[in-house]
Amino acid sequence: AQSVTQLGSHVSVSEGALVLLRCNYSSSVPPYLFWYVQYPNQGLQLLLKYTTGATLVKGINGFEAEFKKSETSFHLTKPSAHMSDAAEYFCAVSPLGGATNKLIFGTGTLLAVQP
Amino acid sequence: NAGVTQTPKFQVLKTGQSMTLQCAQDMNHNSMYWYRQDPGMGLRLIYYSASEGTTDKGEVPNGYNVSRLNKREFSLRLESAAPSQTSVYFCASSAGRYQETQYFGPGTRLLVL
Repeated sequence: AQSVTQLGSHVSVSEGALVLLRCNYSSSVPPYLFWYVQYPNQGLQLLLKYTTGATLVKGINGFEAEFKKSETSFHLTKPSAHMSDAAEYFCAVSPLGGATNKLIFGTGTLLAVQP
Repeated sequence: NAGVTQTPKFQVLKTGQSMTLQCAQDMNHNSMYWYRQDPGMGLRLIYYSASEGTTDKGEVPNGYNVSRLNKREFSLRLESAAPSQTSVYFCASSAGRYQETQYFGPGTRLLVL
């Protein structure tokens, strides 16, 4: 069965510091992978997704993620954190070749940005 | 273009009461979904509708029913609310059935006393 693990339910960084949010998946075949962001009291918004092709994926707001098949990882990074990046981030996997577009979400990582 | 809209934004129910959460999308999407979000558990799929006229159970369907009223609308009904159904409910939609990006509504906060 597919699953997603996000290491660290809370991550705190200083403004201007590197952001690294970790996501590992389990799957017998490479899935499609997504990162969503949720700002307080809002719905989820797509940051970026990996389907096929280039393993380094660039998203909105300066975020990027790299699909590493050998490590079954899809970690999210941003070189320099901004106060506006404070939010909850969810990694999700969609099984390749599935009959429906189900998404399996990780439990989320709450990012705090300190001034 | 409103995207995905949900009503109500917030609701308080007493145990045993019923209610329907409404969801509509104006993106001409085929697939629609209902999730619940609980602290520390991420989002869990309740029901989904791959296309108009079809609905299927997700990970946590017990205590819920759904109706795909037409292509735009997908409602979630709680027949007899329980405190365990206190949660934030999100509706989402996607264009097709395969590996498509899902677009989320703003959510409905439900408190069951």
